[in-house]
This record gives sequence, C-alpha cells and structure tokens, in this order.
Amino acid sequence: AQKITQTQPGMFVQEKEAVTLDCTYDTSDPSYGLFWYKQPSSGEMIFLIYQGSYDQQNATEGRYSLNFQKARKSANLVISASQLGDSAMYFCAMREGNSGNTPLVFGKGTRLSVIA
Amino acid sequence: DVKVTQSSRYLVKRTGEKVFLECVQDMDHENMFWYRQDPGLGLRLIYFSYDVKMKEKGDIPEGYSVSREKKERFSLILESASTNQTSMYLCASRTGRRVSPLHFGNGTRLTVT
Repeated sequence: AQKITQTQPGMFVQEKEAVTLDCTYDTSDPSYGLFWYKQPSSGEMIFLIYQGSYDQQNATEGRYSLNFQKARKSANLVISASQLGDSAMYFCAMREGNSGNTPLVFGKGTRLSVIA
Repeated sequence: DVKVTQSSRYLVKRTGEKVFLECVQDMDHENMFWYRQDPGLGLRLIYFSYDVKMKEKGDIPEGYSVSREKKERFSLILESASTNQTSMYLCASRTGRRVSPLHFGNGTRLTVT
C-alpha cells in the first residue's frame, strides 16, 4: 500500500487565487512528520512546510499553509494568492516514527500550473 | 545555508559501465540519502546512511551500492549500468532532529545508452 497518495497528477489555478493540493498518508505510528516540497522546472527541491503529528495547530509559512486533518489522515497544502512562480511540481512526504534518522517517503507529486 | 553538492549535473554512460555518483554536504549532517526520480513515480529511496560506514537499503536497492567513508560524502555506485537506470538521481542530507527537512542537491541526470 502506498504510504503517501497524491491524487491530482496536474492542476491549474488562476493567478491570485488560492489552490489546495491534496495529500493523504497511511501509517500506524502515532508519531510522524509531514513535509511539502516544491520542485520548479530547474529541478531543485525546495522545502516548504512541516507538520508534526502532535502539533496542535496547522502549520503556516507565508502563503503556504497545511490543512492537517489527523482523523482523515490528510495533509493538504494550501497556497494562497497564487503567483506565476508557483508553477512547479509539488511533493508531499512523510517521516514515520520519532527518529530523525528515518528516511522520508514521497508521493508521486502534483504538477501545478498557474495561469495569468 | 546548507549546501549539498552533486558532482555532475549530466552524465551519459554506456551499458555495463561502472558509474560513480558523488555527493558532498557541508553541514555535518548525520544522515544522507540517495533517491531516484522518474516521471509519474515520484522519488524513490535507493539507499541511506545514518553514520559513517553505515548503510541501509531503501525501496529499490537492486543494481546499486553505496559508500560512506567520510561523514560529508555519500557515493552511489551503479555496478554495471543498465538502460533502466536512466533517471534523475537526487542526493539529500538532514540532521538527526525529527523536524529536520531533507536538503537536496541539484540532481544528476544520468542517461545509460
């Protein structure tokens, strides 16, 4: 079974609008962490935001926020006021357990295209 | 700022060649990782290392080996390159803190002909 599922291979959004990228995860470990990365066409992987399983509040970083619904095992990324520079691949990833030595497991990604 | 450097941006190799992909990080991170990225498949873990001379298999280790002789350097080795190993290879590192994100290199696009 897939640990991380991103059901939207591609999405379009109008500039200045908000967009939600879906991510569901599968783990039986009560301690885990969820990460979102952006990969522009240049290929670099840019870390965006982190949510821990015990965090009481949804994580926010500038225009990025994470809609964390623990019971539903979902960790959707919300980008507000989309910009042309937001066009990229977006990956959701999970670290299971409490150890920093554990690798991250990635989803297959969502390609976001922002339209002017 | 953390810097993860992969020695080559593009590589073209022939089937059967032994291929070395080198990765160096400058932030004293304990953990280093090799992923490969293919369209529609996301990032898949090949090998990782949590300490010098330590290595662990990831999800797709077949056809690969790794070496970590020094803390800052993690090498991926394709013992006998095959065309199905044509891919983008990404090296990453992170600290031992559970909230620590992965820091990635810029990737090596390997083509095996």
